[in-house]
Formats: sequence, C-alpha cells, structure tokens
Amino acid sequence: AQTVTQSQPEMSVQEAETVTLSCTYDTSESDYYLFWYKQPPSRQMILVIRQEAYKQQNATENRFSVNFQKAAKSFSLKISDSQLGDAAMYFCAYRTTNSNSGYALNFGKGTSLLVTP
Amino acid sequence: KAGVTQTPRYLIKTRGQQVTLSCSPISGHRSVSWYQQTPGQGLQFLFEYFSETQRNKGNFPGRFSGRQFSNSRSEMNVSTLELGDSALYLCASRERAGGPSNEQFFGPGTRLTVL
Repeated sequence: AQTVTQSQPEMSVQEAETVTLSCTYDTSESDYYLFWYKQPPSRQMILVIRQEAYKQQNATENRFSVNFQKAAKSFSLKISDSQLGDAAMYFCAYRTTNSNSGYALNFGKGTSLLVTP
Repeated sequence: KAGVTQTPRYLIKTRGQQVTLSCSPISGHRSVSWYQQTPGQGLQFLFEYFSETQRNKGNFPGRFSGRQFSNSRSEMNVSTLELGDSALYLCASRERAGGPSNEQFFGPGTRLTVL
C-alpha cells in the first residue's frame, strides 16, 4: 500500500511571503498521480494542484507550484505571495493509475498553514 | 453546474443506532467516492461506486455499506454506531472512473456525532 507522509503538522507564513509544504510518499509504482488539496475552515476540500508522475515538468497553478522529485519520492508545494485566504489545512494525496486498484486517494495527515498579516 | 451536495450536513446519533448519509454528485458525474475524516486517523477511503457498482472498498468493517442509484446519487449506511464513528464524512464525485484529468470534486461533508 502506498503511504503519504507530511512531516510538518503546522506551518506559519507572513502575508506576501513564500512558504513550502513538504510531502513524501512511498510506492513501488512507476506511474501515478499526486495532488495537493486545500481544506479551509468550511471543510470543503479544494484541489490546488495535480502532478502526473510521467511528466518531468513541475506543475504550476498561478501562485502555487510543486517541486516533484520522483527519485526521492518527494512532492512539495510552494505558495508564493501568500494571502490571508491561503490559511487552511493542506493535504498531499497519491492516486494509482492501476485501474484494478480503483481510484482511491491516499492522503497524508495534513499541514495546517497559518498566514499572519 | 451545482456542486456535490451532501445531506444532512450535521447529524447526532446514539451508540447502537444506524445512520444513512446521502450524496448527490455533480450532474453528469457517474463516479462517487466516500471518505471518513477524523482527527486521529485523518482522511480514509471508504468505498467508490461507478455506474451503480462498487469498484473499490477501503479497510472498514462490514457495518459500513453503501450503494449508488441509477441517477448516480449515492448513500452510505453505518449500522450499530460506535463512538469512534464520529467523523466528517466526505463524498466526492468525478465524471468517470479514471483518467489523468479526471478531477475529483468534494462535497461539504456530513458531520456525524455519536453520543
């Protein structure tokens, strides 16, 4: 089974600064998907960014970008120009491409991001 | 399009009772997945349905069951409730079962409290 580890239970960043959230995972598969989800106090899970393992280029979505290191099994999220609205729980998730295994997301325990003015 | 809806949003039950939670996916989505979120265990996969068939099941006891109807709406049922079943239950839908750009959209969740 694939495991996802987020080693930072809490992180803090000042408005307009940059913060990086860490995620490592364990898998024997060569092809898979990785995701970062945001869960604000409303509890609504929102997809922030997605990375396909076969793509070497790091995914970017506006102020959000990832550093995908396949050999190291590392998938960190960088938030640039942090805004108060970025404050939330951030979850890293793994999904197999093997249809026989279904399409469940394996989530890490999450990192709580606090943004200070 | 309307998003994923879950009813009820909040529920209080007592030990030993049973509960049914409902999830209506985004129109046109045929796949529905359920997750349990607790402070201790985090987010754990319960099961996934596609076209009324259960495709995958997580490591939960048989007290947890689900089904999907022909209109893609899904229900999950928990029988003989235990205190540890208190959690946020999240439903997610996707257009089809797999595929790289097949984004999963989450509902707001149902907060179940077992007393």
